[in-house]
Amino acid sequence: DQQVKQNSPSLSVQEGRISILNCDYTNSMFDYFLWYKKYPAEGPTFLISISSIKDKNEDGRFTVFLNKSAKHLSLHIVPSQPGDSAVYFCAAIGTTDKLIFGTGTRLQVFP
Amino acid sequence: DSGVTQTPKHLITATGQRVTLRCSPRSGDLSVYWYQQSLDQGLQFLIQYYNGEERAKGNILERFSAQQFPDLHSELNLSSLELGDSALYFCASSVWSGNTGELFFGEGSRLTVL
Repeated sequence: DQQVKQNSPSLSVQEGRISILNCDYTNSMFDYFLWYKKYPAEGPTFLISISSIKDKNEDGRFTVFLNKSAKHLSLHIVPSQPGDSAVYFCAAIGTTDKLIFGTGTRLQVFP
Repeated sequence: DSGVTQTPKHLITATGQRVTLRCSPRSGDLSVYWYQQSLDQGLQFLIQYYNGEERAKGNILERFSAQQFPDLHSELNLSSLELGDSALYFCASSVWSGNTGELFFGEGSRLTVL
C-alpha cells in the first residue's frame, strides 16, 4: 500500500523557469509533509516541510503547497537552477512516527 | 556532511550469507532509523530505535534484525541473503523519538548480493 505517491518519475525544466513537483497521499492522519533532495552517492537531505494545519510554506526559492481536501502537495522551485538537478522525495509522517517516502522525481534543470 | 556515519560504503556478498551494516548517529541524536532503497523504489522504512529501544517497525523481513547499543550506534543484520536484498541501505538519525520528520541521513551502504 503506497501511502505517498509521486506519479512523475522525471521532470525536465529550463534554467530560470519554475519547477513543480507533485505528490499525492492517501492517509489523512499525516501531521507533517516534507520534501527531501538527493544527489547521487549522497544520502537524502531535508529541504522543506509543512504542517497539516497550513497550506503554504516558503523558504527562499522553495515553496510547498498543501491541499488537504485533495490530499495533494507540491513543491515549487523558482527560479530553477542547474544545481537543483537531483531526485526529490516527498515524505509524510503521522502519529506512528514512521516517515513514509514516495518513489521520487528526478529533476533535471538544463541551461 | 550530515554527521551520520555508515560503514561499509560498499559490500558484495553471495546468496545465503549474512552481513552487518553499521551506523553512528549524529552527536546528541537518540533516534536511529533504517531505510532500504531498491532500484527505482522509494525509501522503504525498516525500523526505528530510540535510546536503545525499538520504537517503530516497518516492512522489515524476519531475516533482518537491528539493534541500538548503549553508545547509540546501531547495526542492521541481514541474513540468508537473497538476490532481491541488493539495495542501498540508509541510516538516519534525529534528536527525538516523535518528530516532525526532519531526519539526517548517512551516505548509505550499497549491498550487492551475487
